[in-house]
Amino acid sequence: KAGVTQTPRYLIKTRGQQVTLSCSPISGHRSVSWYQQTPGQGLQFLFEYFSETQRNKGNFPGRFSGRQFSNSRSEMNVSTLELGDSALYLCASSSGQFLAKNIQYFGAGTRLSVL
Amino acid sequence: DQQVKQNSPSLSVQEGRISILNCDYTNSMFDYFLWYKKYPAEGPTFLISISSIKDKNEDGRFTVFLNKSAKHLSLHIVPSQPGDSAVYFCAAGLNNAGNMLTFGGGTRLMVKP
Repeated sequence: KAGVTQTPRYLIKTRGQQVTLSCSPISGHRSVSWYQQTPGQGLQFLFEYFSETQRNKGNFPGRFSGRQFSNSRSEMNVSTLELGDSALYLCASSSGQFLAKNIQYFGAGTRLSVL
Repeated sequence: DQQVKQNSPSLSVQEGRISILNCDYTNSMFDYFLWYKKYPAEGPTFLISISSIKDKNEDGRFTVFLNKSAKHLSLHIVPSQPGDSAVYFCAAGLNNAGNMLTFGGGTRLMVKP
């Protein structure tokens, strides 16, 4: 079974640009969550989608958005990039909605550098 | 406000000895706790978890202890092996509120041969 696939692996953008990151979950998984990892803030939850609906949202500005398609693939978009958006963006997939019953599997992440 | 904290950024242990990684949380609503391991250039990998109705869960060399009154959990690795060298994250969440997790800052474990 293929794991969680995130593309691209590395990305360089300049301030003010926008970026779209992609996540393909494990086959059959309907939940996709996104996290931002930075040296100062650690791993922070961005949002979770389940069956195309946003289930949870973290404390991030509206410049961060996401969506999930009918095949469970998910994208996240960051508009008007700032230097502080430089981070590793991780995607995790799970088959269900209950932590106790479903393990979350993480992708290797997309490393975004904003210049 | 960090709801989940790992106060030790790093830990060095001799091979064969016990590794103890600690984690504290402040939100008493959390009812499910997990440990993830992360190698460089890879995503975090699930290690072990515990529900708030238990105080101990064991899986092979890994045991997680939960002290709800102290809002503290710990991960014990016995015996430690060089392949265990990685960054360990504790995480907490609400079992019935989706898959949102709050992570600690991580502890880098180094197991010396």
